[in-house]
Amino acid sequence: DIQMTQSPSSLSASVGDRVTITCRASQNIAIYLNWYQHKPGKAPQLLMYAASSMQSGVPSRFSGSGSGTDFTLTISSLQPEDFATYYCQQSYSIPWTFGQGTKVEIK
Amino acid sequence: EVQLLESGGGLVKPGGSLRLSCVASGFTFSSYSMNWVRQAPGKGLEWVSSISSSSNYIYYADPVKGRFTISRDNAKNSLYLHMNSLTAEDTAVYYCARASGRTVTTDFDYWGQGTLVTVSS
Repeated sequence: DIQMTQSPSSLSASVGDRVTITCRASQNIAIYLNWYQHKPGKAPQLLMYAASSMQSGVPSRFSGSGSGTDFTLTISSLQPEDFATYYCQQSYSIPWTFGQGTKVEIK
Repeated sequence: EVQLLESGGGLVKPGGSLRLSCVASGFTFSSYSMNWVRQAPGKGLEWVSSISSSSNYIYYADPVKGRFTISRDNAKNSLYLHMNSLTAEDTAVYYCARASGRTVTTDFDYWGQGTLVTVSS
């Protein structure tokens, strides 16, 4: 199975900050990498697919990059509604696996 | 509007069984692969099982293989997860998720709100 490791596991940031979350795969997964946002009690939401393609309706402050084993999700200017947990997910091979999550909290 | 509504969760004793359902609306259900993803208390997301649009391809995560069965009824726009031999490790919120169908990746573009399964004596 492909292991996905996110860093950091949590971070504190202020509204307006630039935030970067990293996801590393245990083997080369090309661009088969997706990002989700999850708020407590809500359905997870797809943010990015294929590493850098933005899902329809996602604000442009979100961006994704990377290929191979190293990927990043960047929020250019953190907004109050962005406080949530973020997960990466590899879709290179079954079993599909997620990172452990990065919780973005208010500083 | 795409909607996925799960049901069937609840409290079950270890060794027991449960059937989860997910009713879909707002899209042509029979054209999409569907998935179950779970989240144990205080843990992250874990993919459980996938089923292709016409049920030709079915996959399971190792922890549930041989105990869980995924199925669908396209006439009823419904997805199911039959869970047997449940253990405490199966306690989680179970989400129904649609695979987008993009060729470049397998991503889950719509999710339900989830249904809680608690396995406890």
